[in-house]
Amino acid sequence: DTAVSQTPKYLVTQMGNDKSIKCEQNLGHDTMYWYKQDSKKFLKIMFSYNNKELIINETVPNRFSPKSPDKAHLNLHINSLELGDSAVYFCASSHYFSGENIQYFGAGTRLSVL
Amino acid sequence: KNEVEQSPQNLTAQEGEFITINCSYSVGISALHWLQQHPGGGIVSLFMLSSGKKKHGRLIATINIQEKHSSLHITASHPRDSAVYICAVRKDGNQFYFGTGTSLTVIP
Repeated sequence: DTAVSQTPKYLVTQMGNDKSIKCEQNLGHDTMYWYKQDSKKFLKIMFSYNNKELIINETVPNRFSPKSPDKAHLNLHINSLELGDSAVYFCASSHYFSGENIQYFGAGTRLSVL
Repeated sequence: KNEVEQSPQNLTAQEGEFITINCSYSVGISALHWLQQHPGGGIVSLFMLSSGKKKHGRLIATINIQEKHSSLHITASHPRDSAVYICAVRKDGNQFYFGTGTSLTVIP
């Protein structure tokens, strides 16, 4: 069973389109994250949700909107896609408390904007 | 300047060698993570440290909170250890800063 699953794995689209990436975790975790890994392999956190509440919103364009219908899902919707949005997007989840907080990552979604 | 610096950026080793990857950070943290990203892109969380040392198989991670420094050691390295190793620090709440990664290649 896949612990953290993202769909789709690959996404190729034109500039200006709107697209969504879905993430689901079956680990019972209460915190989920979206990361962006750029062409230089630099990983940056974008959003974090704890119990469906947004707790991190790093400086990302407001074209990016996370949506968490429940604790097990955190979807990423992107409006008006731009060339610079091309990257690999990773979803992750963890159980948020002051002790162990190992994050489990999805396999990534490679987004190419043409 | 990045809040998390890793060294070296690239590392090539012969199979069996002892490997050390270093991570220094400049912010106060509640925990530090070591991640492994395989050539296929998947990311695996290796360790989470808030003090001392942890060991898992051939991997050892240490942290010195006073010096704001952590090391990841691999004993008896193997070609399957070839990957990018990423250091990430957790600040207040759930705010994370990531290093740029160390690309390790282990040659048979």
